[in-house]
Amino acid sequence: AQSVTQLDSQVPVFEEAPVELRCNYSSSVSVYLFWYVQYPNQGLQLLLKYLSGSTLVESINGFEAEFNKSQTSFHLRKPSVHISDTAEYFCAVTQNTGGFKTIFGAGTRLFVKA
Amino acid sequence: NAGVTQTPKFRVLKTGQSMTLLCAQDMNHEYMYWYRQDPGMGLRLIHYSVGEGTTAKGEVPDGYNVSRLKKQNFLLGLESAAPSQTSVYFCASGGPLAGGTNTGELFFGEGSRLTVL
Repeated sequence: AQSVTQLDSQVPVFEEAPVELRCNYSSSVSVYLFWYVQYPNQGLQLLLKYLSGSTLVESINGFEAEFNKSQTSFHLRKPSVHISDTAEYFCAVTQNTGGFKTIFGAGTRLFVKA
Repeated sequence: NAGVTQTPKFRVLKTGQSMTLLCAQDMNHEYMYWYRQDPGMGLRLIHYSVGEGTTAKGEVPDGYNVSRLKKQNFLLGLESAAPSQTSVYFCASGGPLAGGTNTGELFFGEGSRLTVL
């Protein structure tokens, strides 16, 4: 069975400051890893994903995440946040062989202050 | 592009009433899912389907039923609503396209907010 732990429920940060949202997972098999973002009153949207290859993956709006197999982590980072990054962020995991179910973490609410 | 469409978007029920949430996707995805979202608990999988005519239980299936009679539609039913089922429900689709592999990426609807009094 898989599980996902997001270590921070809320992260307040000032605009233009760096941020890291932490995610740890557990699984007995190899997995795909995802970060989704949810803006207020909307559904979730894929932010970035790790399937294989380079352990550092990037999104189009400046976020990046690094897959660390030994620490079973997939932390999300951004060097300089904007007000518009205020949202809830979910880490998720799916088995990469015959996996049908995606398991989500509890979410981290990022609040960017001016 | 419609993507994943959920109806209704809002509903208020009394305890014991029944209702059905409809999810429709136009991306020809094999897999469809129903999740519920509650504060501080993330998304929890209720039921899912890996193809037309198939359904399976997720993490929190009690009190819900589902059907997938057509590939593009996935229905979530509450036979006798309870206040504990007050939540925001999300439908998602994903899975392998014809000739492709499953990357696990999900596409979500905008959610259905259900209140049970």
